[in-house]
Amino acid sequence: NAGVTQTPKFQVLKTGQSMTLQCAQDMNHNSMYWYRQDPGMGLRLIYYSASEGTTDKGEVPNGYNVSRLNKREFSLRLESAAPSQTSVYFCASSELWGGGRTDTQYFGPGTRLTVL
Amino acid sequence: GQSLEQPSEVTAVEGAIVQINCTYQTSGFYGLSWYQQHDGGAPTFLSYNALDGLEETGRFSSFLSRSDSYGYLLLQELQMKDSASYFCAEPLASGGSYIPTFGRGTSLIVHP
Repeated sequence: NAGVTQTPKFQVLKTGQSMTLQCAQDMNHNSMYWYRQDPGMGLRLIYYSASEGTTDKGEVPNGYNVSRLNKREFSLRLESAAPSQTSVYFCASSELWGGGRTDTQYFGPGTRLTVL
Repeated sequence: GQSLEQPSEVTAVEGAIVQINCTYQTSGFYGLSWYQQHDGGAPTFLSYNALDGLEETGRFSSFLSRSDSYGYLLLQELQMKDSASYFCAEPLASGGSYIPTFGRGTSLIVHP
């Protein structure tokens, strides 16, 4: 049982390049999330998928797209990377997305992305 | 502005007790969660309070006062390995749904 896995662990891009961050969970969770973490800013939600087949914008969605490929996998795509997207990206999953209910989130190890 | 307020840094000595405070936005409040994150690591869930009072899990406890829009994380018998960042989090209403929202984190430094 690996929990939440993310690839790659590290990535360096040049401005304008594109890439996809991969995330998978083996806990049969319904909901999945993508966050970015910048120094002093905490975790900010980029996109989430409450259940398979749905995706919604979070607090900071500009410059990103997502795909919920199946129940296990949720990918994040940067179409044209910018230096402002230099950050650590975390994927997370939870069993439920119950409206206002807070459900425990399980996080992956993160992807450290640098955009030059 | 930031809807969850917590101190940026707290220091304490090994063996002591430390309290990390968090004030939150009251509109549509459902509950307060706490997460721990070691340097370079993933956040991990510590505790959750939906109702007033204290929740205890070993050396860690979390408290909530809904009337004061305030909660705290209490760490007892501090150990060096407790040096980490601690985040409070709540779901906030946004565009007809709820978005998990985190505070900016409190860096706990434990000295020998």
